[in-house]
Amino acid sequence: GESVGLHLPTLSVQEGDNSIINCAYSNSASDYFIWYKQESGKGPQFIIDIRSNMDKRQGQRVTVLLNKTVKHLSLQIAATQPGDSAVYFCAENFRNTGTASKLTFGTGTRLQVTL
Amino acid sequence: EAQVTQNPRYLITVTGKKLTVTCSQNMNHEYMSWYRQDPGLGLRQIYYSMNVEVTDKGDVPEGYKVSRKEKRNFPLILESPSPNQTSLYFCASSLRGGYNEQFFGPGTRLTVL
Repeated sequence: GESVGLHLPTLSVQEGDNSIINCAYSNSASDYFIWYKQESGKGPQFIIDIRSNMDKRQGQRVTVLLNKTVKHLSLQIAATQPGDSAVYFCAENFRNTGTASKLTFGTGTRLQVTL
Repeated sequence: EAQVTQNPRYLITVTGKKLTVTCSQNMNHEYMSWYRQDPGLGLRQIYYSMNVEVTDKGDVPEGYKVSRKEKRNFPLILESPSPNQTSLYFCASSLRGGYNEQFFGPGTRLTVL
């Protein structure tokens, strides 16, 4: 499969435990945030999103928390499964003046699930 | 099946030989974008298109061209590829830009010798 990155920060968790992946974003004007999952050999896949007027959003087994004060985003995965092993990217979105909004991706965190 | 397709998936070429990577989506999305992915740098946007005949530069547009003559297609053109364009390329589409989920293609691994 395609190599996403050789020196990504790695989080190793045991199957069944909860995972927390953190992301610091850069632009205080960003108003929309997304988490993507990228499995080996595939393109990024949407997991969950959150707008800046919220501080928490839950999906199926995933929760995103947003702390605008410190520009921090986290992804919580409950009861982590082997299929959750992947690289996870956060992305922030802000609207450029007069043009399309711009999505900027973080460098990613590799999640390894051990049995 | 709703999807974004890219071709080719793998390409090895030589410096200066023009190439085109095709991208097509079947979801009637208005917004399409090209990214390159390099180790330690994450995904960086090359070009994007808000709609037919509307394209704009992303963060790293140098050395690339795009066109959007039809809604479904958004080819990436490298007129004179150089080794620093060796990378993994992704095409993505969304309904209307950054505030919607972007659907990504499977990627194109390009090596320029």
